[in-house]
Amino acid sequence: DAGVIQSPRHEVTEMGQEVTLRCKPISGHNSLFWYRQTMMRGLELLIYFNNNVPIDDSGMPEDRFSAKMPNASFSTLKIQPSEPRDSAVYFCASIRPGTIYFGEGSWLTVV
Amino acid sequence: DQQVKQNSPSLSVQEGRISILNCDYTNSMFDYFLWYKKYPAEGPTFLISISSIKDKNEDGRFTVFLNKSAKHLSLHIVPSQPGDSAVYFCAASAGGTSYGKLTFGQGTILTVHP
Repeated sequence: DAGVIQSPRHEVTEMGQEVTLRCKPISGHNSLFWYRQTMMRGLELLIYFNNNVPIDDSGMPEDRFSAKMPNASFSTLKIQPSEPRDSAVYFCASIRPGTIYFGEGSWLTVV
Repeated sequence: DQQVKQNSPSLSVQEGRISILNCDYTNSMFDYFLWYKKYPAEGPTFLISISSIKDKNEDGRFTVFLNKSAKHLSLHIVPSQPGDSAVYFCAASAGGTSYGKLTFGQGTILTVHP
């Protein structure tokens, strides 16, 4: 079991550029979550999908953020245009009943 | 509005002793609680969970206690080991289809001294 796989692990980009973060959930898990961790706000949920359908995106901070899950094995979180305050660690997680598994995170720095 | 609170930012314990990490919550709809451990530069790792129908759950050295009336849960690690040094997060969920919609506490840094 490869676990939840995220890419890139680290991204440094200039303000205004588009950023795309990717996630491959654990096979067979039917729910996927995007979380963001910052010093100020800790770990907070951005959006989650059940069976590839977005269920709750109330945590997405602005219209600059969008997420898709075109199939059961892939999801993207896109920020366009990026801003320095988007700098954070973005975690993807997938669940099966009783347990939620996190990826190792994508460390984003916007300069 | 901090619905899940870990009031102790840090805890220092001697190896072999018990570590007790505490967590309080305010939302009565929460019915599933989890503890995660996080090392630097890694994602949170699931440790143990408890449903609101229980008041205790054990897994090896880790035991979670839930006091619903006090809206309080705690994680006991016995005996503590240096490898347990990490940030510990408690998280809560309202269950159902929002099962994975976790609200996290701010975390407690546990340091276990040899």
